[in-house]
Amino acid sequence: EVQLLESGGGLVQPGGSLRLSCAASGFTFSSYAMSWVRQAPGKGLEWVSSISASGGSTYYVDSVKGRFTISRDNSKNTLHVQMNSLRAEDTAVYYCAKDLTVGRWDAFDIWGQGTMVTVSS
Amino acid sequence: EIVLTQSPATLSLSPGERVTLSCRASQSVTSHLVWYQQKPGQAPRLFIYEASNRATGIPARFSGSGSGTDFTLTISSLEPEDFAVYYCQQRGIWPLTFGGGTKVEL
Repeated sequence: EVQLLESGGGLVQPGGSLRLSCAASGFTFSSYAMSWVRQAPGKGLEWVSSISASGGSTYYVDSVKGRFTISRDNSKNTLHVQMNSLRAEDTAVYYCAKDLTVGRWDAFDIWGQGTMVTVSS
Repeated sequence: EIVLTQSPATLSLSPGERVTLSCRASQSVTSHLVWYQQKPGQAPRLFIYEASNRATGIPARFSGSGSGTDFTLTISSLEPEDFAVYYCQQRGIWPLTFGGGTKVEL
């Protein structure tokens, strides 16, 4: 079964850091681009960042550029996002998501269950 | 950044009705438009990709159409399990963006 399992969420003070992880199973992780998408409480979906299959290309939404870093370890089938200088507006459920198609950027066909990040003093 | 505007924000309908959801882009995304369904407490689920292709396991009553800036998700006859929020997303230009969602409620 294809599965994504996020971890690492929690409560952090403004200005703090957190590292989220997403463990992948049931597919050839190294062949697919991966992404992080977040959803603030009661709000819609917001794309955060994407990384190519090899890890050589990364993209970010402007609001997290310079603060968040997406990475992947293809030997461990794991996706990460390092989040620094966290702000209240980063409070959200963070989902990792897999691209539909090998070799190119595509729709997100598999999503994890999400991990909650709360930034508050 | 491409802005996606979904309308209406909320639709109040009954089972068996035909539904048409709209997603308009601020500039052309060619056919790189995706539709997701999300139910409360759940992750989004891929429904339509490349504007008109149903994802695996999605019933035939769902169809997508459009290109350029105007897109539509149609449900031919609402089933009880279809009541949810539907989001469109463009994959044509970075940064990727989502619409604000349309809630289909009973």
